[in-house]
Amino acid sequence: AQSVTQLDSHVSVSEGTPVLLRCNYSSSYSPSLFWYVQHPNKGLQLLLKYTSAATLVKGINGFEAEFKKSETSFHLTKPSAHMSDAAEYFCVVSDRRNTDKLIFGTGTRLQVFP
Amino acid sequence: GAVVSQHPSWVICKSGTSVKIECRSLDFQATTMFWYRQFPKQSLMLMATSNEGSKATYEQGVEKDKFLINHASLTLSTLTVTSAHPEDSSFYICSARGLVSYEQYFGPGTRLTVT
Repeated sequence: AQSVTQLDSHVSVSEGTPVLLRCNYSSSYSPSLFWYVQHPNKGLQLLLKYTSAATLVKGINGFEAEFKKSETSFHLTKPSAHMSDAAEYFCVVSDRRNTDKLIFGTGTRLQVFP
Repeated sequence: GAVVSQHPSWVICKSGTSVKIECRSLDFQATTMFWYRQFPKQSLMLMATSNEGSKATYEQGVEKDKFLINHASLTLSTLTVTSAHPEDSSFYICSARGLVSYEQYFGPGTRLTVT
């Protein structure tokens, strides 16, 4: 069985400060891990994904995430938040053998204050 | 590229009626489409997977007679909620996957309210 736990339902940061969105996963098999962002009235957009290559994954808009097997974590970070980063973020896991079945976390709402 | 649209974006219907939601891939051919349901402050739950020209595969606990899915073309899938009840009120999101990439591209979602 697979699952993801997003440790924070809300995160608030000031513009220009670092962002950390935490995610822990559970997987019986080698996982693929993803971060998606959901802006209001827009479809979920893939930020980055980890399959089996480098453990530090760089995504779009300056985001990156590090796969840490020993900690079963895949935290999302960004060095400097921008106002446009305010959105809902989802950590997602799938079985690498069947990437069609995506298991979503409950989401983290990121607020960015000027 | 890889844009997925949904129509309508929101709909209100009366209890006992049926409502159809469309999901279209605008600039690619979607061999597989997925339907998710999202409750407030909760994660997306996969309801069913459909391949073009085949019957949909429903996840455990999803009533296939209530949530009818049709994937008749490579660019269109529809979800029909039959005999809707207030507990069917939710946010329904579709995604589509093409031949080349395993990435799913998501639509903006449809808010269904059953009164």
